[in-house]
Amino acid sequence: EAQVTQNPRYLITVTGKKLTVTCSQNMNHEYMSWYRQDPGLGLRQIYYSMNVEVTDKGDVPEGYKVSRKEKRNFPLILESPSPNQTSLYFCASLGLAGHEQYFGPGTRLTVT
Amino acid sequence: GQNIDQPTEMTATEGAIVQINCTYQTSGFNGLFWYQQHAGEAPTFLSYNVLDGLEEKGRFSSFLSRSKGYSYLLLKELQMKDSASYLCAVKENTGFQKLVFGTGTRLLVSP
Repeated sequence: EAQVTQNPRYLITVTGKKLTVTCSQNMNHEYMSWYRQDPGLGLRQIYYSMNVEVTDKGDVPEGYKVSRKEKRNFPLILESPSPNQTSLYFCASLGLAGHEQYFGPGTRLTVT
Repeated sequence: GQNIDQPTEMTATEGAIVQINCTYQTSGFNGLFWYQQHAGEAPTFLSYNVLDGLEEKGRFSSFLSRSKGYSYLLLKELQMKDSASYLCAVKENTGFQKLVFGTGTRLLVSP
């Protein structure tokens, strides 16, 4: 089954404690992206990657890092989380030939 | 940059037809998407328009006018399960699959 998986699905953490949210896709897609979704603001792109070792900033990259060492994985790293990073996070992937972005199930992060 | 506007909330009755509008202002346009998102779940793809006109897919249709910066999503024969948020997203012409999303329209379908 074609899918994008994220882990963890829910996370409560404290300010400053480094965390990583994993994202993996099994469709051999070149393009992967991270979004955050906040009430009244919609989905906003954090980072995206067009292929292995190729990443670029989206609209709200501050406080986040990503890496793309393998085609299937695109982890999101918060080196020093802050309460304003409390949000719902989605990973998405897309193949070169397609238009449909596949979204992961989401990770609800709370930073206290 | 992009500016995308859609109504915050709409209500409709089961069996009816509803039209959700989306207007956009863009410096580079390369297609418009509609996604459906149920509360707490991931967005799922509904439609993609890059040329003017109507694209029909079952009970859902999407229309695009590039000259007016306008799109709508038409939902026919509404069902209770259609209660969800509907997200309009514009693909920028500056990079590969850079999508900019509107804030979404929450649709409530009542019996």
